[in-house]
Amino acid sequence: DTAVSQTPKYLVTQMGNDKSIKCEQNLGHDTMYWYKQDSKKFLKIMFSYNNKELIINETVPNRFSPKSPDKAHLNLHINSLELGDSAVYFCASSLFTNHNYGYTFGSGTRLTVV
Amino acid sequence: GNSVTQMEGPVTLSEEAFLTINCTYTATGYPSLFWYVQYPGEGLQLLLKATKADDKGSNKGFEATYRKETTSFHLEKGSVQVSDSAVYFCALFYGGATNKLIFGTGTLLAVQP
Repeated sequence: DTAVSQTPKYLVTQMGNDKSIKCEQNLGHDTMYWYKQDSKKFLKIMFSYNNKELIINETVPNRFSPKSPDKAHLNLHINSLELGDSAVYFCASSLFTNHNYGYTFGSGTRLTVV
Repeated sequence: GNSVTQMEGPVTLSEEAFLTINCTYTATGYPSLFWYVQYPGEGLQLLLKATKADDKGSNKGFEATYRKETTSFHLEKGSVQVSDSAVYFCALFYGGATNKLIFGTGTLLAVQP
């Protein structure tokens, strides 16, 4: 199936831990994104990579570090997790030259920090 | 800066009722406009889009018209079903320096049988 796939789907961890979320797309897109959705469903972009290069870096704490080994993968590593990091994290992808097709989203990773 | 404003929910309707979810935007130039839908426990799916003024996007009985004069992109459906219950997001894309999809706050629609 062509899609954007994220793992894990659920992640429960303690404060202070370090965790990673992985994302892969097989759509042939060249741009990938991480969005954070809070408890009120508000969606905010965190990062964007185009062909492995960082092009958007919103005001996100340094504890969050994205890594793109190739244009089909974008991982998110979070250090020293805090309670406020609890949210649903969505990965998405698109074609840089034709955003009119919209973005394709993964099904999300629900992170709960206890 | 560029932004999207949606009507607050929840919107509660009976099956077969008419739906309108209001969306207005602020942007310099001519953004592309989108509606995304998020069913419970799932990611966002593109519902419809319009890329220039007076374009009408449509899909699954939903419609929205890009109105430049009122900077609006209201979502409508003539007869909702229980299966339409979801969160609906209006979004705009404007290239150049911003080059990102900007979402409204989302509107929860609950359709009762």
